[in-house]
Amino acid sequence: QSALTQAASVSGSPGQSITISCTGTSSDVGSYNLVSWYQQHPGNAPKVMIYEDIKRPSGVSNRFSGSKSGNTASLTISGLQAEDEADYYCCSFTRSRNWVFGGGTKVTVL
Amino acid sequence: EVHLVESGGGLVQPGGSLRLSCSASGFTFDYYTMHWVRQAPGKGLEYVSSISGGGGTTYYADSVKGRFTISRDNSKNTLFLQMSGLRTEDTALFYCVKDLSGTHAFDSWGQGILVTVSS
Repeated sequence: QSALTQAASVSGSPGQSITISCTGTSSDVGSYNLVSWYQQHPGNAPKVMIYEDIKRPSGVSNRFSGSKSGNTASLTISGLQAEDEADYYCCSFTRSRNWVFGGGTKVTVL
Repeated sequence: EVHLVESGGGLVQPGGSLRLSCSASGFTFDYYTMHWVRQAPGKGLEYVSSISGGGGTTYYADSVKGRFTISRDNSKNTLFLQMSGLRTEDTALFYCVKDLSGTHAFDSWGQGILVTVSS
């Protein structure tokens, strides 16, 4: 199972919007509406930000939104804030009945 | 409040075995699928294994299939990961994770337990 493809880093200024992409295949991202996104600050456990492609868990800011087209899922952060600086990982359930993560994207707030 | 506490990690030689445990509290344990996810030092997240609430269904990453066995004791609210044939590339922080209620997403995470495979 190959990891999903994410850019290594993305940066933006406070208040801007950024989008992180996550590319898989028809056997994972393109198969089900089961992509999730995680935020991880250094030294901390990950936190779920988006599940089932587009849904936000309670307590997650509405500045975070998910979308998907074909085999590519995306996470958009609007109104970028200093606290958003972290690593972000996408994850998808697969036809092999397991899960696969992306390699992670480091978001830097300039 | 959900609380997940991993234990059983440590240093083991290549080829050796180790059993991780995860003690759960703050939710109805047997209602939820549980997962193990790991993170090698300085690296990204890697899915390891999952088990359904009743324990009858299990899933594994290809990288651990045949070497790791996931199980649970619902009477003790405890999740396990039996690891054998350990390799240096298994060195990682192992997280115990609660499922986000049937959504195939990872909800609450433990603090992680370090497994180091080295001679």
